[in-house]
This record gives sequence, structure tokens and C-alpha cells, in this order.
Amino acid sequence: DIVMTQSPLSLTVTPGEPASISCRSSQSLLFSDGSNCLGWYLQKPGQPPQLLISLTSNRASGVPDRFSGSGSGTDFTLKISRVEAEDVGVYYCMQALQTPLTFGGGTKVEIK
Amino acid sequence: QVQLQQSGPGLLEPSQTLSLTCAISGDSVSSNNVAWNWIRASPSRGLEWLGRTYYMSKWYYESARSVKSRITLNPDASKNQFSLQLNSVTPEDTAVYYCARWDHVGRYFDHWGQGTLVTVSS
Repeated sequence: DIVMTQSPLSLTVTPGEPASISCRSSQSLLFSDGSNCLGWYLQKPGQPPQLLISLTSNRASGVPDRFSGSGSGTDFTLKISRVEAEDVGVYYCMQALQTPLTFGGGTKVEIK
Repeated sequence: QVQLQQSGPGLLEPSQTLSLTCAISGDSVSSNNVAWNWIRASPSRGLEWLGRTYYMSKWYYESARSVKSRITLNPDASKNQFSLQLNSVTPEDTAVYYCARWDHVGRYFDHWGQGTLVTVSS
């Protein structure tokens, strides 16, 4: 199974400031078509996870452009350019290359 | 608009069978290019993918090694729903269970059920 490791475990951010979350996979997520199969999800309190980013850098419909994803191979990053109050929750990376689909342990983002 | 509506009991005793159903609206359980999944969330295990079923000329079933011997996934085209059965539950199976649709092309979960808290306790 592919192991996903996120850091940091938690983040407290001042509104308007940037934030960055790292995700590392135990093996390359590069697919034969050249895409890196890594997604990012945000779980707000009391809600199911929601898709933010697919295939490393594709923002989902309705996701603000302050969210961006980058990386390749085994190292990936989610960046929020200016954190807003509505961004609080737990962020998960997930490898989409093969089953079993596996998630990182999560990064809890709180507002200062 | 795709919607997934979960149903099933929330309290079980050890050794019982967990049974959850996910009713689909706005799509078909037999659609190509999508898969129907079960995922659970707990403080001890985080988000854990349990298994999925999908139709591509025939039905396919995949499950996580951790539950492979205990899990049954059933699509029901007549009711447009799919279900999860997990046998011989223990307190370790206490979690919030979600059904979710997977897009094969985009490789992401795009629609989720509302979640069902399942507690296993004697």
C-alpha cells in the first residue's frame, strides 16, 4: 500500500497570511499518462470531505483561486495564498494512483 | 445534481454485522466511468478507504486488505443504490462511515453521503 505522510499536523494562521501543507508518498504517484495522481480534500467540522484539488494542481469547480497545488513524484504541496476564516478544517492529501486509495493523516488548520 | 443519501443503524454490539445503504439520485449505480465507494473516518485511523464497486460491462469489486475477509459490497440497480456489509464488528470499527462517488477519469471523489456515525459497544 502507498503510505501518505503529511506535515505539519496542525497550523494556526492569521487571516490574510499564507499557509502551506506538505504531503509525501512512499512511492511515485506518476501515472503513465504523465499526470501525478494526488488530490487534496478539506473536511470542515460536521461535514464530509470536499474536493479541493485533483491530479496535483487542478482546482475543483467553485474552489477559490487562493488554493493551489504543486509537486511531482513523491512530494506535493498545497498552498493557501491568503487564509480566510472559512478555510478552517482538516486538510487531507490522498493518492489516486492505485487501490487501496490512501490518505494522509490530515493537517488541522485553525485561525488565530 | 448527484446526491447520496445514507441510511442504516448507528449502534451495534460486538460480533454483529454493520449494514449501510447509500441511495443515489442524479446518477445511476450502473454508470460507466464512476465507482461507488465506502470510506470511514475515526480519530485513531483517520480517513480509511474500505472498498468500491463499479460497472464496466460487468461488475467489479475492490476492497482494502484490512477488511477484505469481512466486507460485502452490493450494488442494486433496481433501487439505484449500493450497500456495505461489515461482519463481526469490534469497537475498532467505530467510525463515521461515508459513501462517495469516484470519477475514474478525473481520479477524485466528487460527491459524498452525509456520513453515518456507527458505534460498536457492548
